[in-house]
Amino acid sequence: AQSVTQLDSQVPVFEEAPVELRCNYSSSVSVYLFWYVQYPNQGLQLLLKYLSGSTLVKSINGFEAEFNKSQTSFHLRKPSVHISDTAEYFCAVSDDSSASKIIFGSGTRLSIRP
Amino acid sequence: EAGVAQSPRYKIIEKRQSVAFWCNPISGHATLYWYQQILGQGPKLLIQFQNNGVVDDSQLPKDRFSAERLKGVDSTLKIQPAKLEDSAVYLCASSQGLAGTEQYFGPGTRLTVT
Repeated sequence: AQSVTQLDSQVPVFEEAPVELRCNYSSSVSVYLFWYVQYPNQGLQLLLKYLSGSTLVKSINGFEAEFNKSQTSFHLRKPSVHISDTAEYFCAVSDDSSASKIIFGSGTRLSIRP
Repeated sequence: EAGVAQSPRYKIIEKRQSVAFWCNPISGHATLYWYQQILGQGPKLLIQFQNNGVVDDSQLPKDRFSAERLKGVDSTLKIQPAKLEDSAVYLCASSQGLAGTEQYFGPGTRLTVT
């Protein structure tokens, strides 16, 4: 069975500092991995995803995540955060056997201090 | 392109009362999902429809929750009777239904059971 673990429930950082949000997954088959973001008072939206090919995937607002099969991880990073990055971030996993079903982690709340 | 629509946005009811939520997915999306998101947790899949058929309802508490997707478009989720622990945000999402494809989320309905 698939599962997702987000090790940090909250991550406070200063503006312009780097950040890493950790995500580990378990699955017995090939996986698809996602990061969704939920800004305050808004719905969930896709930030980036890994389906196949290059293990490093990037979003349009400077985030990137690297698929590491040996460590079963998909950590999210940004070299310099902005106040507008304040949000809750959810890691999620899916696979070919699950007919597009996605399993979400418990979320990491990223708070940016000026 | 219109997004996923949900109504109502907020609902407050007393325990043992009934409540219904409505969802209109993105046009052309064959797959529709209902999630429950309890405060501090990630979304948990309640039920997944492919057109008007149920793909997965393994985590739906069938003694009190029901859902339908007539004609393979709109969907309703009902709780009868509600319990205090049903207080949560109920999210509807839709996708094209292929493994690895993005799910598009509605704004959610925040349910408070008193």
